Amino acid sequence: ETVLTQSPGTLSLSPGERATLSCRASQSVSSSYLAWYQQKPGQAPRLLIYGASSRATGISDRFSGSGSGADFTLTISRLEPEDFAVYYCQHYGYSPYTFGQGTKLEIK
Amino acid sequence: VQLLESGGGLVQPGGSLRLSCAASGFSFSSYAMNWVRQAPGRGLEWVSVISDGGGNTYYADSVKGRFTISRDNSKNTVYLQMNSLRAEDTALYYCARGGWKVTASMGQWGQGTLVTVSS
Repeated sequence: ETVLTQSPGTLSLSPGERATLSCRASQSVSSSYLAWYQQKPGQAPRLLIYGASSRATGISDRFSGSGSGADFTLTISRLEPEDFAVYYCQHYGYSPYTFGQGTKLEIK
Repeated sequence: VQLLESGGGLVQPGGSLRLSCAASGFSFSSYAMNWVRQAPGRGLEWVSVISDGGGNTYYADSVKGRFTISRDNSKNTVYLQMNSLRAEDTALYYCARGGWKVTASMGQWGQGTLVTVSS
């Protein structure tokens, strides 16, 4: 099983700042099968990025994904108030698919 | 696109429950479907996936041998049969649409159905 470790656990930033979230895999993951999700309190998760760097339909270009091998990054430029949420990475290249433990992005 | 889960509730340890997820607004039989759960105050845990035709199924180690995913494409519904339930299975269970391959991200999610395992 591939373990995904996200860092930091909590990120405190102000609107307008840039956020950089990390996802590290315990073994190499094909970048074709790495996704990022956003979850707000009381809501279902929402797909942001798939294939490590492709934005899902309707996702703002302020969100970008990058990385390969075992290290992946989600970057949010110019944070908006609605971006403060919990973010999860996930690999889905082979079973069992796994999620990272999440990064909480909070307003500073 | 709409995914509507049902079937959750309170069940005793060792008991069984069957969750359903009714899909609408897309060609259900063309997509793999997943179940993902979230224990109260915790992160997301992928549970299972079934291919578009139902011929391929995969499970998390934590539920293998106890849970069974299935689908009825004539009813646009995916199911999760949960047996030998444990306290640690308590969670909000989400149904999520995959892609035309089993190895796909989850682009649409339902609102979840709550399962509580307690005596």
